Amino acid sequence: DGGITQSPKYLFRKEGQNVTLSCEQNLNHDAMYWYRQDPGQGLRLIYYSQIVNDFQKGDIAEGYSVSREKKESFPLTVTSAQKNPTAFYLCASSTDRRRDNEQFFGPGTRLTVL
Amino acid sequence: AQKITQTQPGMFVQEKEAVTLDCTYDTSDPSYGLFWYKQPSSGEMIFLIYQGSYDQQNATEGRYSLNFQKARKSANLVISASQLGDSAMYFCAMREGQDYGGSQGNLIFGKGTKLSVKP
Repeated sequence: DGGITQSPKYLFRKEGQNVTLSCEQNLNHDAMYWYRQDPGQGLRLIYYSQIVNDFQKGDIAEGYSVSREKKESFPLTVTSAQKNPTAFYLCASSTDRRRDNEQFFGPGTRLTVL
Repeated sequence: AQKITQTQPGMFVQEKEAVTLDCTYDTSDPSYGLFWYKQPSSGEMIFLIYQGSYDQQNATEGRYSLNFQKARKSANLVISASQLGDSAMYFCAMREGQDYGGSQGNLIFGKGTKLSVKP
């Protein structure tokens, strides 16, 4: 089945450690996105990539980094510079960035920093 | 100012009845798209329906319809014949920009409405 996978579903890390969240898609989509969701809030864009080897900052990129070496993969690293990293992280993809192209989402990773 | 406003933090509806979830948006771009997503307790975001700013007719997808009132900048989601499985968070989102060539904005989400369907 085509879709987006994120692993792991739950992740615990100690404060000060970097952590990488995985996102893989087999939909052959060009565009991929990372969002952060806090309790009672909507999604906020962290980074997006329109094509391999290219990515752009979203609204809340500080303390995060990404790479896009392969079309199907868009890992997100939460660095120790991120002041409040505990949140629910969602990865998404779309065929491209056309206005009417819906984004397909993965199941999410819940990150807790202790 | 918020670009997407969902004024109902939570709503209840009786099973088999219809319910309307409100969404207003703010943009000066004549070209934009409006989306509704459902987020069950599992966390995954599920696309429900899309309305383009130039679409003449309101979008419909099965039990979902979008009541698009462009002059009022309103894009309410109507769910007919509610089911217990409709209990979830619902998010309205907007993307500004052109289909091709021009700059395309990012998806902007509202804070969501939690819908609870009562048996």
